Amino acid sequence: GAGVSQSPSNKVTEKGKDVELRCDPISGHTALYWYRQSLGQGLEFLIYFQGNSAPDKSGLPSDRFSAERTGGSVSTLTIQRTQQEDSAVYLCASSLVGNNSPLHFGNGTRLTVT
Amino acid sequence: AQTVTQSQPEMSVQEAETVTLSCTYDTSESDYYLFWYKQPPSRQMILVIRQEAYKQQNATENRFSVNFQKAAKSFSLKISDSQLGDAAMYFCAYRSRVGSGTYKYIFGTGTRLKVLA
Repeated sequence: GAGVSQSPSNKVTEKGKDVELRCDPISGHTALYWYRQSLGQGLEFLIYFQGNSAPDKSGLPSDRFSAERTGGSVSTLTIQRTQQEDSAVYLCASSLVGNNSPLHFGNGTRLTVT
Repeated sequence: AQTVTQSQPEMSVQEAETVTLSCTYDTSESDYYLFWYKQPPSRQMILVIRQEAYKQQNATENRFSVNFQKAAKSFSLKISDSQLGDAAMYFCAYRSRVGSGTYKYIFGTGTRLKVLA
């Protein structure tokens, strides 16, 4: 596609339910990043992928969070047993490998846990 | 660990005037990039300008320019002739290399810019 696509755009879920957030990066972009943006906060790094592997999972806040990427393309961020503090905008970004390649962001998924 | 600090949660500027947004960072690395991203209400982050640490010359993109002070670890963004469309959240970001061709980005907490007509 022309840009990074994220779905759904908005998600409201009940506390304790599982949610899946999807990111479809720009075709050919091997690097993929997930960030969380809470109200009034900056972007909190969650995880990044190089191809299908995730060399750095250090930002995942708890074991309720997991992510995978298949075929070097689409990535899914899963949050199990959601809590109210998980409410945030989840942003995905992708880039080519290389020094001069900037991040391209999607429009994010706004997750609200009630 | 690298950190990025934006000390101005909110700034205002009159249309057609100039405004400067501040950013400082902390790192022990010598090779890195710095970025300013803009986030309008649509939520999509848009790259405004970038600076390579080994370049002494300040980057410029039309009405946007930076004042990069490497020794002071300061990277401010100047917006000249401000327009209503410049109103957005602005994030400063630091990029370090974590592997062959791959990077980690660290973002500040953002500055909300209001442009007054």
